[in-house]
Amino acid sequence: AQSVSQHNHHVILSEAASLELGCNYSYGGTVNLFWYVQYPGQHLQLLLKYFSGDPLVKGIKGFEAEFIKSKFSFNLRKPSVQWSDTAEYFCAVNAERSGYALNFGKGTSLLVTP
Amino acid sequence: DTGVSQNPRHKITKRGQNVTFRCDPISEHNRLYWYRQTLGQGPEFLTYFQNEAQLEKSRLLSDRFSAERPKGSFSTLEIQRTEQGDSAMYLCASSPHGTGELFFGEGSRLTVL
Repeated sequence: AQSVSQHNHHVILSEAASLELGCNYSYGGTVNLFWYVQYPGQHLQLLLKYFSGDPLVKGIKGFEAEFIKSKFSFNLRKPSVQWSDTAEYFCAVNAERSGYALNFGKGTSLLVTP
Repeated sequence: DTGVSQNPRHKITKRGQNVTFRCDPISEHNRLYWYRQTLGQGPEFLTYFQNEAQLEKSRLLSDRFSAERPKGSFSTLEIQRTEQGDSAMYLCASSPHGTGELFFGEGSRLTVL
């Protein structure tokens, strides 16, 4: 079945640690890739997106993600996390062959401790 | 605030009752989506509108669920004969284009007793 998989469901890091959250998808063909973030008590908002071109994309707040087509992956990274990065992170895929839907992974809950 | 607006924010109802949620998208966005999210899960796609046309419905959307967008502006999601399994956050999102970049509202939380 077509899906979006996020490998880590819960991550706890200390401030200044580096972050990498994994995301793999199983859709073939052309895909648009996204990371959304949901801070406590807030609505989902876009962190970064990849449509085409440079596979390394930069988003807000120092986040970046790398699209590796051969691995069907779109991992999220940040060199040094802050307490304010505590949030739920969702990888999402819009695939040409899967209609109009944006399909989400189950999310990764990140807790950054001071 | 010119973001996506959803009402009511919270709804508690008894099993078997009908509920309706409203979504007002960003005004210039012609694409509108409904999603459902339960604890520990990512948003699950329910349905999609382009202007007033409902172009896609998920298999998750049972016959008890109906969505409309009568004039291509606001949308409503009605759940008839609610069941406890319908308890979830119902999210609305809009988009100005078809790339999948969505702008979400804060959601309507449904609790079915």
